[in-house]
Amino acid sequence: KAGVTQTPRYLIKTRGQQVTLSCSPISGHRSVSWYQQTPGQGLQFLFEYFSETQRNKGNFPGRFSGRQFSNSRSEMNVSTLELGDSALYLCASSSLRGSYNEQFFGPGTRLTVL
Amino acid sequence: AQRVTQPEKLLSVFKGAPVELKCNYSYSGSPELFWYVQYSRQRLQLLLRHISRESIKGFTADLNKGETSFHLKKPFAQEEDSAMYYCALRRQGAQKLVFGQGTRLTINP
Repeated sequence: KAGVTQTPRYLIKTRGQQVTLSCSPISGHRSVSWYQQTPGQGLQFLFEYFSETQRNKGNFPGRFSGRQFSNSRSEMNVSTLELGDSALYLCASSSLRGSYNEQFFGPGTRLTVL
Repeated sequence: AQRVTQPEKLLSVFKGAPVELKCNYSYSGSPELFWYVQYSRQRLQLLLRHISRESIKGFTADLNKGETSFHLKKPFAQEEDSAMYYCALRRQGAQKLVFGQGTRLTINP
C-alpha cells in the first residue's frame, strides 16, 4: 500500500497570501488529521476530518481551515499568512478499524512565510 | 487539560548503555499513550502503544497510572536508535493526539 502523500513538499509564500496544502490518505482510510510542527510549539493538532465532516478542531485561528472530499483526500487552507505560520504541516490518516486504530503520517509540507 | 511533558530535550548515551526517555502526562480519565519516533529524513512513525504491551526494536514502555508516567526504556542502546522521540496521548476512541515536545536521543559509538 502506498503511504500518506502530501503535496507540495515545500512552499514559499509572503505575508498576507493564502496557501492550500493537500493530503492523500492511505487507500481505504477515511479519517484524516492535520498537525502543525514548529520548533517552539512542537506538534499541535489542527483538525480531523472523517467522511467529509470536521470532527474535531484544535486551538487555531479561523484563518486555518480544511475540508475533505468524497475520496477522503483532504486539503487545508491558511489565509492571510503570517510569519508565525512558517512550519511543517503534517497529515495523518487512519482506517478507524480494529482495536489499535493506528495513524500513519505523511512526509509533511514545509511552509515558509517571508 | 491534556498535557504531555518530556523533561529532556536532549539525551546522549553511549552504545550498549541503557536508555530511558521520560514522559509524564496529565489527563482526567484513561488515555491511550504512545511513543512515536522520527529518524533523520524519515516521517513520523508509531513506535509502540501502551495497550499492546509489546517490545519494538528492544524498546518497552510501561504505563504507570499512579505516577502518570509512560517512560520509554531500552536496556542496550544501538547507534540506529538515534532519533527524535515523541510521547503522545489521546482520548480513547478519538484521533486527536497531544504530543510532548520531544526528546532528541543521540547514541554515541
